[in-house]
Amino acid sequence: NAGVTQTPKFQVLKTGQSMTLQCAQDMNHNSMYWYRQDPGMGLRLIYYSASEGTTDKGEVPNGYNVSRLNKREFSLRLESAAPSQTSVYFCASSEAWGTGNTEAFFGQGTRLTVV
Amino acid sequence: AQSVTQPDIHITVSEGASLELRCNYSYGATPYLFWYVQSPGQGLQLLLKYFSGDTLVQGIKGFEAEFKRSQSSFNLRKPSVHWSDAAEYFCAVALPTTSGTYKYIFGTGTRLKVLA
Repeated sequence: NAGVTQTPKFQVLKTGQSMTLQCAQDMNHNSMYWYRQDPGMGLRLIYYSASEGTTDKGEVPNGYNVSRLNKREFSLRLESAAPSQTSVYFCASSEAWGTGNTEAFFGQGTRLTVV
Repeated sequence: AQSVTQPDIHITVSEGASLELRCNYSYGATPYLFWYVQSPGQGLQLLLKYFSGDTLVQGIKGFEAEFKRSQSSFNLRKPSVHWSDAAEYFCAVALPTTSGTYKYIFGTGTRLKVLA
């Protein structure tokens, strides 16, 4: 089992460029998440998706869009990248539906630098 | 607002010494609580979780955590630290959402350094 797979692993963008971070899980989980990790700030939730076809904003959604393409895939798009979006991005999935007694499983992260 | 607080940003211990990492949460109902570990350049790995029942939970790598409702705490402990435990540790709580799932809220992390 691959678990949660993120692509790319590294990316450098120029200010104003756009890009899409891809995430796929093979655990048949309903819920998927995008987080960003910045030094001293822990992981902050950008968007999440309870199931295919639904998405909700997290703590820091500004500047991002998401698409839950199907049950397996959840992508994060930066339409016009800014230096403040330099971060490490993590995708996660879980079977948390109706009850929270399950953990989130994380991908290896995408390190994004915006210059 | 619901939140998770890890008051220690950095902790340094000697190899073989005991360890306790603190975590406090703010949530009205019975929480679902987690501890994750992150090695440099890696994703997060689950150490242990608390859902209900026994308030002392055992995890991987010799870690344990105790849920104390009266103190709103879920501290992580290890009796004897190994050099390989040097990493960053995150406490998290699962909060229900209106869309029927749960979202995971993380503390800011505690970076552990182990001295030989």
